[in-house]
Amino acid sequence: QQQVKQSPQSLIVQKGGISIINCAYENTAFDYFPWYQQFPGKGPALLIAIRPDVSEKKEGRFTISFNKSAKQFSLHIMDSQPGDSATYFCAAPYGGSQGNLIFGKGTKLSVKP
Amino acid sequence: EAQVTQNPRYLITVTGKKLTVTCSQNMNHEYMSWYRQDPGLGLRQIYYSMNVEVTDKGDVPEGYKVSRKEKRNFPLILESPSPNQTSLYFCASSLWGSDEAFFGQGTRLTVV
Repeated sequence: QQQVKQSPQSLIVQKGGISIINCAYENTAFDYFPWYQQFPGKGPALLIAIRPDVSEKKEGRFTISFNKSAKQFSLHIMDSQPGDSATYFCAAPYGGSQGNLIFGKGTKLSVKP
Repeated sequence: EAQVTQNPRYLITVTGKKLTVTCSQNMNHEYMSWYRQDPGLGLRQIYYSMNVEVTDKGDVPEGYKVSRKEKRNFPLILESPSPNQTSLYFCASSLWGSDEAFFGQGTRLTVV
């Protein structure tokens, strides 16, 4: 099975700080790299995604950085807020469809007030 | 409202007693899939379906069955549940070629 390896497993950040979560992949055929956000008691929801033709994508306080040569992509959360406390999953599609996703093991982010 | 609906949300059952977790989506999505979520292991795909009557195994299919007789429904069947199937289960759907998978609220299953 193709894999995406995510780190760290957990992260504690002070309010206003920068949260950084990393993901590495193996299959160079992957062409879409989403991040999903999951709050307790809820299903995951798409947060932000990037395609390998760009090196960075920014949406508000959330940024994906993509390094094709290193086969890595990361999520940066600027000015982290307690409301950002959630579990974050990186993912990649396999089988030729963005809807058929393989996920990293998740990062539990806690933002302290 | 566009959504993926799973039922039940919580279920406690005994070893060996057949059960079905239902999943329904109202977005006319071709793709549907089932995942289980376990601490430290993330989301692992059990089965997926690309359309009606087309299903295939994911990463952890052992002990599970699925069927896709209608486009909107994708039930997950545990013929003889065992305690190692205690987990949080999610159904997801997506439109072919779309960038986004939509998840249900989850079903927390406990097998004793």
